[in-house]
Amino acid sequence: RKEVEQDPGPFNVPEGATVAFNCTYSNSASQSFFWYRQDCRKEPKLLMSVYSSGNEDGRFTAQLNRASQYISLLIRDSKLSDSATYLCVVTPNYGGATNKLIFGTGTLLAVQP
Amino acid sequence: DTAVSQTPKYLVTQMGNDKSIKCEQNLGHDTMYWYKQDSKKFLKIMFSYNNKELIINETVPNRFSPKSPDKAHLNLHINSLELGDSAVYFCASSPLQVGTEAFFGQGTRLTVV
Repeated sequence: RKEVEQDPGPFNVPEGATVAFNCTYSNSASQSFFWYRQDCRKEPKLLMSVYSSGNEDGRFTAQLNRASQYISLLIRDSKLSDSATYLCVVTPNYGGATNKLIFGTGTLLAVQP
Repeated sequence: DTAVSQTPKYLVTQMGNDKSIKCEQNLGHDTMYWYKQDSKKFLKIMFSYNNKELIINETVPNRFSPKSPDKAHLNLHINSLELGDSAVYFCASSPLQVGTEAFFGQGTRLTVV
């Protein structure tokens, strides 16, 4: 079983739609959680961190459920420019030795005009 | 003034050759990484260095030898290249502190023929 699991998609949605991505992680001692975005043939970039209390950044809302080891990302009012692969990322507890990121396989989103 | 830069961007080489990929970061980060993204787009950590010291070696074949001459540089040398080494290799850097953002280079697309 992979440490971080995501539905690979693709998710094909029309502009203006609301879409939700889910992610589960296996290591209950994981410390930090993120969503990264990767455009085609580009490097991954941080979209947002995920906090237990939930957090929002414009049209994007992220949620963390530590008890269920589950992370979600909600995108409202989808834009064509949101088309990308969304990577769920977890940082395990290495006792402060490193800030290693563990990536999920990514979920491909294609927003259609 | 690119934050994390790696060279070359593309590398096509024959099986059995030895090649190197260079990476430099100007962000003052303590930690640098090499990640491999395979044909299924799965990003997996290979190595993590803190201040020139190897912290993580994720069961990578010993044909892969990272070298960090200083904390701003992390190079990757690959001996006796195999077809299965074809992938995109990403260098990244971050502060040591867990939960901080990692910045990625643009990637090196390695094709072994």
